[in-house]
Amino acid sequence: DARVTQTPRHKVTEMGQEVTMRCQPILGHNTVFWYRQTMMQGLELLAYFRNRAPLDDSGMPKDRFSAEMPDATLATLKIQPSEPRDSAVYFCASGFPPGGMQYFGPGTRLTVL
Amino acid sequence: GENVEQHPSTLSVQEGDSAVIKCTYSDSASNYFPWYKQELGKRPQLIIDIRSNVGEKKDQRIAVTLNKTAKHFSLHITETQPEDSAVYFCAALRNSGNTPLVFGKGTRLSVIA
Repeated sequence: DARVTQTPRHKVTEMGQEVTMRCQPILGHNTVFWYRQTMMQGLELLAYFRNRAPLDDSGMPKDRFSAEMPDATLATLKIQPSEPRDSAVYFCASGFPPGGMQYFGPGTRLTVL
Repeated sequence: GENVEQHPSTLSVQEGDSAVIKCTYSDSASNYFPWYKQELGKRPQLIIDIRSNVGEKKDQRIAVTLNKTAKHFSLHITETQPEDSAVYFCAALRNSGNTPLVFGKGTRLSVIA
């Protein structure tokens, strides 16, 4: 049963530190999405990639967030410098158009003190 | 772009009763409508989906209906059980290949034993 994996599952850091979250999409999926979930905002799309190329990152605060896909098996989301308002659960999802189905990873719970 | 409205935001039902969650979408070109269930602390999981060439789809106790004319779709859960308690998200997609799912804000369902 193929699944999206994410590391770390939990991260506690201090304000100003760099945070890197990693995602391994399901093998064969060519589209990767990054979401942020807070109680107030629901599921918020940050960025997504197709065939490793960024298609849209308009949901990300550009000054501190960056997303990349170094290869087809790894997507990264970085926050530098981190701030307390970045505390949330960050989900990665992968899919293979044109079906539309997306499968979520377990999430990274980030706490910035 | 697409906009998805979901109602109600919270729903409480007695065990054994039915639950209905409704979503409306704005883009008449949307043609794929999945539903995700998210249990506390877990990832959103795809539970059922429907495409625009079908009016209804059923899987055991859950069913989804789609009204393309009115641009709304609904999730129906019959004979609810405590394990159905979760947050449910609807979503819509225009299957052009370059657009992501647009999610509703979620419905928190509580099934009272």
